[in-house]
Amino acid sequence: DTGVSQDPRHKITKRGQNVTFRCDPISEHNRLYWYRQTLGQGPEFLTYFQNEAQLEKSRLLSDRFSAERPKGSFSTLEIQRTEQGDSAMYLCASRRPWGTQYFGPGTRLTVL
Amino acid sequence: ELKVEQNPLFLSMQEGKNYTIYCNYSTTSDRLYWYRQDPGKSLESLFVLLSNGAVKQEGRLMASLDTKARLSTLHITAAVHDLSATYFCAFGSGGSYIPTFGRGTSLIVHP
Repeated sequence: DTGVSQDPRHKITKRGQNVTFRCDPISEHNRLYWYRQTLGQGPEFLTYFQNEAQLEKSRLLSDRFSAERPKGSFSTLEIQRTEQGDSAMYLCASRRPWGTQYFGPGTRLTVL
Repeated sequence: ELKVEQNPLFLSMQEGKNYTIYCNYSTTSDRLYWYRQDPGKSLESLFVLLSNGAVKQEGRLMASLDTKARLSTLHITAAVHDLSATYFCAFGSGGSYIPTFGRGTSLIVHP
């Protein structure tokens, strides 16, 4: 059990560029979550997968955000045409059914 | 709108003292989560409370849930410096019990 991993750990980009983040959940976990966290706030839910199916997506999520989990294993989160307001820590978490949620170390995005 | 309110948001306490963090949430939920986050690190799951009256304890931390009052508490007993961190509560809503988080309580324990 190597834990949830995320790549990259840090990303600096210019406004208007596209970025993609990757999350590798714990291998037997079929549920995967993406969150966004800004300083002084709790994590904000973005989207949720059960296996490869994206079952829930935050109504607050802009159309510039898209996520995939093509084979029910790793997931990617893409942000198109980044804005300064997208600067945040992007967290991935996974769990088994009825299990504890395990968080990855996060990807810190800075949009200049 | 789904809301979670934690108080206090900041807590400075001396080692050896007891204190309680309160978490109120806005809608019916049978699943309440507590997490810990150290500065610059990710979140660690502490407790999952699944029913009214549930109580769980781990070391110096004890969490409880009152679903009728929509209230959960995290009680700290005889605090030690290693407990310094930010503590989040979250309630699970919808069929997938997706957590909605509070703003967190930043705890500093002084020697």
